[in-house]
Amino acid sequence: DAGVIQSPRHEVTEMGQEVTLRCKPISGHNSLFWYRQTMMRGLELLIYFNNNVPIDDSGMPEDRFSAKMPNASFSTLKIQPSEPRDSAVYFCASSLALGAANEKLFFGSGTQLSVL
Amino acid sequence: GDSVTQMEGPVTLSEEAFLTINCTYTATGYPSLFWYVQYPGEGLQLLLKATKADDKGSNKGFEATYRKETTSFHLEKGSVQVSDSAVYFCALSDRGDYKLSFGAGTTVTVRA
Repeated sequence: DAGVIQSPRHEVTEMGQEVTLRCKPISGHNSLFWYRQTMMRGLELLIYFNNNVPIDDSGMPEDRFSAKMPNASFSTLKIQPSEPRDSAVYFCASSLALGAANEKLFFGSGTQLSVL
Repeated sequence: GDSVTQMEGPVTLSEEAFLTINCTYTATGYPSLFWYVQYPGEGLQLLLKATKADDKGSNKGFEATYRKETTSFHLEKGSVQVSDSAVYFCALSDRGDYKLSFGAGTTVTVRA
């Protein structure tokens, strides 16, 4: 099992540019989460998908952020336009079923985003 | 709302020392409680969990007991190793909700 795969591992971009982060969940998992980690705010849930459908996007900071899950094996998080305050580590996680209480989350290694 | 408060780090220990990381929670219901660990350069991994009061979660020598009376879930290990150096996150999920509320994380460094 390859685990949750995220790409790229590191992204450096300039303010105003579009950034796309990618995630491949573990095969068979039907729940997918995008988290953001910063020193100031810790780990924040941005959006949650179940069976490819966005269930809760209340954590998405603003309209500059969007996420898609076109199929069970792929998701993207896009920031357009990017700003320096978006600099953070972005994690994708997947699990077998709804309900974090009963199913452990498997996290990817994260994408370190730096917006200059 | 639900929240988790864990002791601030960083914590620096010598090998074979005893480790405790305090975690307390606030929840409206009866949450499940977790400890996740993040090793350098990696994503988080589930370390242990407890789903009801008085349950004890354990893994890799770490233990934590769900204490409803003190709303706590402190993480302990009797003899740490250098390989335990990591960031430890306490988390809760209320009533089987999909959301995990994470604490701020505690950085632990174990010196040989």
